[in-house]
Amino acid sequence: AQKITQTQPGMFVQEKEAVTLDCTYDTSDPSYGLFWYKQPSSGEMIFLIYQGSYDQQNATEGRYSLNFQKARKSANLVISASQLGDSAMYFCAMREGGYYKLSFGAGTTVTVRA
Amino acid sequence: ETGVTQSPTHLIKTRGQQVTLRCSSQSGHNTVSWYQQALGQGPQFIVQYYREEENGRGNFPPRFSGLQFPNYSSELNVNALELDDSALYLCASSPLTTGLITGEQYFGPGTRLTVT
Repeated sequence: AQKITQTQPGMFVQEKEAVTLDCTYDTSDPSYGLFWYKQPSSGEMIFLIYQGSYDQQNATEGRYSLNFQKARKSANLVISASQLGDSAMYFCAMREGGYYKLSFGAGTTVTVRA
Repeated sequence: ETGVTQSPTHLIKTRGQQVTLRCSSQSGHNTVSWYQQALGQGPQFIVQYYREEENGRGNFPPRFSGLQFPNYSSELNVNALELDDSALYLCASSPLTTGLITGEQYFGPGTRLTVT
């Protein structure tokens, strides 16, 4: 079974608008971490934001925020005030328990239009 | 602070050959992980090293092997290359403190391997 599901293969967003990228996860471990990474065409994976399963507040990092709905097992990424440089592939990933392996989703391509 | 570096950037090999990929972890990071990313897919976990010991392995055959050195740099060796091994190979390192709590990993630029 897929541990991370990203159902949006591609999205277009207008510059300066907000965009929400969907991510659902599957785990029976009570302790886990959720991550979002950005991968530009250059290939490097850039760490954006982290949410722990026991964190009470939704994580925020600058223009990035994570909408964590534990009961629904979803961890959507919100990018506010989109910029042309945000055009990239975005991956949701999960770490389960004390094991540091990351399981990645298939990714969502975001294209920001001027 | 120097980030994660990988070499070479690109590599072309013939089926059946062997290849060695190299990774230098970020300063202060003692955990290194390797991932394989096929075109259009998310990365798949290959293996992780923590303080020179293998700390976990994904669903990859034994011909994928590696090691970590005392300075925490790492090598990934792939023997008997197959066409399906063509992919971007990503190395990631984890911080000594926060990484142990969150598991966050910082990735290098990757090595693009093409097997013909």
